[in-house]
Formats: sequence, C-alpha cells, structure tokens
Amino acid sequence: SQQGEEDPQALSIQEGENATMNCSYKTSINNLQWYRQNSGRGLVHLILIRSNEREKHSGRLRVTLDTSKKSSSLLITASRAADTASYFCATGQRVYNQGGKLIFGQGTELSVKP
Amino acid sequence: EAQVTQNPRYLITVTGKKLTVTCSQNMNHEYMSWYRQDPGLGLRQIYYSMNVEATDKGDVPEGYKVSRKEKRNFPLILESPSPNQTSLYFCASSGGRGLTDTQYFGPGTRLTVL
Repeated sequence: SQQGEEDPQALSIQEGENATMNCSYKTSINNLQWYRQNSGRGLVHLILIRSNEREKHSGRLRVTLDTSKKSSSLLITASRAADTASYFCATGQRVYNQGGKLIFGQGTELSVKP
Repeated sequence: EAQVTQNPRYLITVTGKKLTVTCSQNMNHEYMSWYRQDPGLGLRQIYYSMNVEATDKGDVPEGYKVSRKEKRNFPLILESPSPNQTSLYFCASSGGRGLTDTQYFGPGTRLTVL
C-alpha cells in the first residue's frame, strides 16, 4: 500500500518566499522522514520526526506531524534557488519479524526562481 | 568520508545479459536496501538485508537477486535483465534502529536494458 503521498506534486516560488509541502499517509508509523533529491542524484536525508513528536526544526526547515490526521508538512523558509529539488516524505513502519520498512511517496518538485 | 558507493553509475546492456551492480558502505551499518526509482512510481524497495547472510524481499523483488556475504557490500544481481528493469537504482544503508532509521543513499545507477 502506498504511504506518504505528497501534495502538491509541483511547486514554483520566488526566491525568499516560503515553501510548504504536505504528506499524508494511511497506517500507523514509527517515524516520518523527509529527503531531498537533486535531479537524478541520490536522496539526502533532511529530517526525521518520531511518532511521539509534533514539531521539529533544522535550520530553515520546520517539520510538523499530526498523527491524528496522519499528515505531515515540511516548511522551507526564505527559500533559495539552491533549494530547487524534489522532496520526498517517507514513513517508517515496524514490520513483524522484520527490521521495518521505509515507504516513500512520489515527491514534490520544488522550483525556486531567482 | 562516510558514504555509500555504487558501481557502475551508468550501464546500457541488452536483454538477457547478466549484470551486477555493486554497493558498498563504510559506516559499519547493519541494514542495507536496494530501491528502484521510476517516474510516477516513486522509490520502491527491491530487497533488503538486516545483517550478513540475512536478506529478504521488498516490494518488487522479481527478476533480482542479492547477496550479503560481508557487512559492507550488498550487490544487486540481474540474472537475465529485461527492458522493464530499465530504471534508476539506489542502494542505501542505515544503522541505529534499523530499516526505519535514517537511510544513507548511494549516488544511483542508471540502467538501460535494450
């Protein structure tokens, strides 16, 4: 089953503006993570928020998690052209008798124009 | 430098010609995974490994094999590649709490099967 569906699929903003991306999921999770991918390259971990946390900050990034609504948001403040990339949320699930699973959404393509 | 390396980065091959994509990590991580990324489908897990000699199927294992004889290496083997295996492949490793923890990705291998 698909978890971590991002919204919007694409977002275009001007440099200096804030960018907000949303992620919804369907089942209970252990944690939720956000990753960034520059075109055709490997994913880079941005931030992890555990299921018992509601908000987390890292530099210009702010992540919120609402487990009652099964949703998360990633806010990038004061965006820069270098923030142009695809952003993926991934939900971490514990799986019985396995180490667990990380399920990725399809991503939001963010374009920041100078 | 802590990293995950993959080789080759680009590969064009023909149907049926066996190939191996290597993956190596230098972080002493126990957990390793292989993903494929396709437009519109996001990242899907192919196989994962919880430790040496412990591998298991992910969501799309058909047509692939893996092995984990050493902790640092986790090669992906396509015994008889077909065009539907044309994709961008990523190896990832994680430590700490396992497969739901932060994952470190390799740079990717772009495979084309003619």
